[in-house]
Amino acid sequence: NAGVMQNPRHLVRRRGQEARLRCSPMKGHSHVYWYRQLPEEGLKFMVYLQKENIIDESGMPKERFSAEFPKEGPSILRIQQVVRGDSAAYFCASSVFTSTGELFFGEGSRLTVL
Amino acid sequence: KNEVEQSPQNLTAQEGEFITINCSYSVGISALHWLQQHPGGGIVSLFMLSSGKKKHGRLIATINIQEKHSSLHITASHPRDSAVYICAVSTPNFGNEKLTFGTGTRLTIIP
Repeated sequence: NAGVMQNPRHLVRRRGQEARLRCSPMKGHSHVYWYRQLPEEGLKFMVYLQKENIIDESGMPKERFSAEFPKEGPSILRIQQVVRGDSAAYFCASSVFTSTGELFFGEGSRLTVL
Repeated sequence: KNEVEQSPQNLTAQEGEFITINCSYSVGISALHWLQQHPGGGIVSLFMLSSGKKKHGRLIATINIQEKHSSLHITASHPRDSAVYICAVSTPNFGNEKLTFGTGTRLTIIP
């Protein structure tokens, strides 16, 4: 049973480009969470999704950031017109039953904006 | 002041030593999580607990709800335990999605 899969593991973008980060939850998990870890800072919640629904996006910047979790396929975190301050590690986690289930994290996607 | 405070920030110990990492929080919680992050690596969930004590191998986690405090202990520490250990809390009505994280304790075990 594969764990939470994130790709790419490392992504380099120039300012103004778009970044797309993908997350495939563990098999059978329908709850996906995205967290961001800025350099030398702690993790921060960004967004919580269930299949085809955004449940809570209160931690996500209002502009340039969007997330989806379609019926088929992975969850996508999309950052448009990236800036240097977007450089961070983005972690995805999933859980199985409800939002109080045990969390399983991916390896993270490390975005570097030049 | 952060809602979740960890101490120490950095800890270096000799192989075999008993390790204690502390976490204090200032909000009412539904659960507390201990996570492990290796340098440049992913995050592994070690424990989720809402009361009492849990043990897994050489790792023990305890929580005192009244004192709003949790500890993570490592017995017979080994260099492979070197990692950042992160405490996180989830609050009532929000579940996992609104985890509030501490800034982590960087543990180095010297052979």
